[in-house]
Amino acid sequence: NAGVTQTPKFQVLKTGQSMTLQCAQDMNHNSMYWYRQDPGMGLRLIYYSASEGTTDKGEVPNGYNVSRLNKREFSLRLESAAPSQTSVYFCASSDLSGRPSYNEQFFGPGTRLTVL
Amino acid sequence: SQKIEQNSEALNIQEGKTATLTCNYTNYSPAYLQWYRQDPGRGPVFLLLIRENEKEKRKERLKVTFDTTLKQSLFHITASQPADSATYLCAGGYGQNFVFGPGTRLSVLP
Repeated sequence: NAGVTQTPKFQVLKTGQSMTLQCAQDMNHNSMYWYRQDPGMGLRLIYYSASEGTTDKGEVPNGYNVSRLNKREFSLRLESAAPSQTSVYFCASSDLSGRPSYNEQFFGPGTRLTVL
Repeated sequence: SQKIEQNSEALNIQEGKTATLTCNYTNYSPAYLQWYRQDPGRGPVFLLLIRENEKEKRKERLKVTFDTTLKQSLFHITASQPADSATYLCAGGYGQNFVFGPGTRLSVLP
């Protein structure tokens, strides 16, 4: 099993460009999450999907959109990238349906995004 | 808003000793606390989860405590090894909010 995979691994964008970060899991998990990690700060939840067909905002959703394409895939879209969105983005999944607080989460390797 | 605090200074200990990492939270007690390990350039890996009504949880050389009076969780690694060197993240669950601390970097010296 590959676990949680993310593409791309690295990306450089110019301000105003758009892009989609892809995430897939092969563990048949119900819930999926998107986080960003910035130096000196903890991981912050952007959006999550408690089950196929549902999505909810996390702590820092502004400037992002998500799509739960099917049970395996959960994508994160930046419509108009800003330098403040320079960060490392992690996708995670968990077996139980619901919010992340009581679920063991499995993380992907991350996407390092730089917005110039 | 809820905040999870961890010692931002790196912790250096000698191999074989017990490492103790601290996680403090403000305001309300989280229903759950989770601990993760993160190696450079990689995603976090889940280690342990402890519920609000549990005082202690163990897994092999790892032990986590949850003290709601002190608003604190302690994470212990006994008989530490250089391979335990990593950043350890504490995270608290508050209903629909899930808050990570910034992590503490642990270096185990041979």
